[in-house]
Amino acid sequence: ETGVTQTPRHLVMGMTNKKSLKCEQHLGHNAMYWYKQSAKKPLELMFVYNFKEQTENNSVPSRFSPECPNSSHLFLHLHTLQPEDSALYLCASSHTLGGDQPQHFGDGTRLSIL
Amino acid sequence: AQKITQTQPGMFVQEKEAVTLDCTYDTSDQSYGLFWYKQPSSGEMIFLIYQGSYDEQNATEGRYSLNFQKARKSANLVISASQLGDSAMYFCAMREVNDYKLSFGAGTTVTVRA
Repeated sequence: ETGVTQTPRHLVMGMTNKKSLKCEQHLGHNAMYWYKQSAKKPLELMFVYNFKEQTENNSVPSRFSPECPNSSHLFLHLHTLQPEDSALYLCASSHTLGGDQPQHFGDGTRLSIL
Repeated sequence: AQKITQTQPGMFVQEKEAVTLDCTYDTSDQSYGLFWYKQPSSGEMIFLIYQGSYDEQNATEGRYSLNFQKARKSANLVISASQLGDSAMYFCAMREVNDYKLSFGAGTTVTVRA
């Protein structure tokens, strides 16, 4: 079983739809992250949660709404997205914020907005 | 300002040969950490190797080694005895001591030829 699991792997949705991305980590980590990876761009950090509390919202539009019910689960709720939101969305977790701990990533969700 | 620079967008390497991926970074902190990740076409970001700024020896992890030159602010990844499965995108990332965020470079695509 992989450490960080993301579902779905692929998602196609219209601009008026509402959908959610799910991330689950089985590593006992306390921090979780959402990243956006667009073609030919470096990874962009979107949100950070530490012990279920949001510590970072990197100027993300409100059409993206994160939820972290516990340290093992992280959701990204999507509504009225735009075509430029098409990207790979990666979830990651780490034991703590900072330090020498690497972040462990899931396989990502490839999102396409029609 | 860009903190991580990877100047090689793409590289080809013959199977069983070594390849060096360049990474330079910009920070005024004395304490920081450098990470390398591999991203196959499947999307998952796989942690490869870590180098702390105060580590005196270059990090090694199996076929991966990090050529850390602090004065030059470079942290090049060396992959020895390349295998076909090494074909992927490789990202260099840095975390400064007072920040939990990882800054990623634009990545280098490596294609291993048989």
